[in-house]
Amino acid sequence: QSALTQPPSASGSPGQSVTISCSGSSSDVGGYNFVSWYQQHPGKVPKRLIYEVNKRPSGVPDRFSASKSGNTASLTVSGLQAEDEADYYCSSYAATNNDVVFGGGTKLTVL
Amino acid sequence: QVQLVQSGAEVKRPGASVTISCKASGYTFTGHHVHWVRQAPGQGLEWMAISKPGGSDTVYARRFQGRVFLTEDTSTNTVYMELNSLRSDDTAMYYCAKAGGWYSIDFWGQGTLVTVSS
Repeated sequence: QSALTQPPSASGSPGQSVTISCSGSSSDVGGYNFVSWYQQHPGKVPKRLIYEVNKRPSGVPDRFSASKSGNTASLTVSGLQAEDEADYYCSSYAATNNDVVFGGGTKLTVL
Repeated sequence: QVQLVQSGAEVKRPGASVTISCKASGYTFTGHHVHWVRQAPGQGLEWMAISKPGGSDTVYARRFQGRVFLTEDTSTNTVYMELNSLRSDDTAMYYCAKAGGWYSIDFWGQGTLVTVSS
């Protein structure tokens, strides 16, 4: 059982927007601005999309955006493209054990 | 460019130990923490531990405490992860990864597959 809760799946058609949620608690997502999002294609190494809630590393398309409200963080993928079909994971600093926790992952399907 | 090169795949018996190496290059080795994350077949990412090469602040995930140990060799820019008392459910891809920003990962090693089987 993952510490952060993500929906197991999400989907959208090309060009549409989809939002993936990541629910935690006041000890992790809600209490600190240390949420990251990663994209992982099958058989590949994860790639960072977002760090510190909403900061996008250079090279990551601005179609990827993120935010946080209370204990829930969200990743929005706009203008869906076929290449966006992948697994997406959120992570956060967790003060309870002074460690890092991941969400269970969301499989994004582009219809 | 930043690179993290891990040691090759391992096959171990239950109860054995495994040590994975992670050789870093392209950045100041002692300037950034290194995370360890694993992924069981078909499953999600699981955070295991973090250490700062040259420092003393090592943190292990509670479920691995007492079974995982991180060491390093700053002369070769290499971090090692030892996992003891292996069980079949330790079968997974193990990644080392460079920290970038607060509690975030910006570069990943290629992964080391550990298979635990009798």
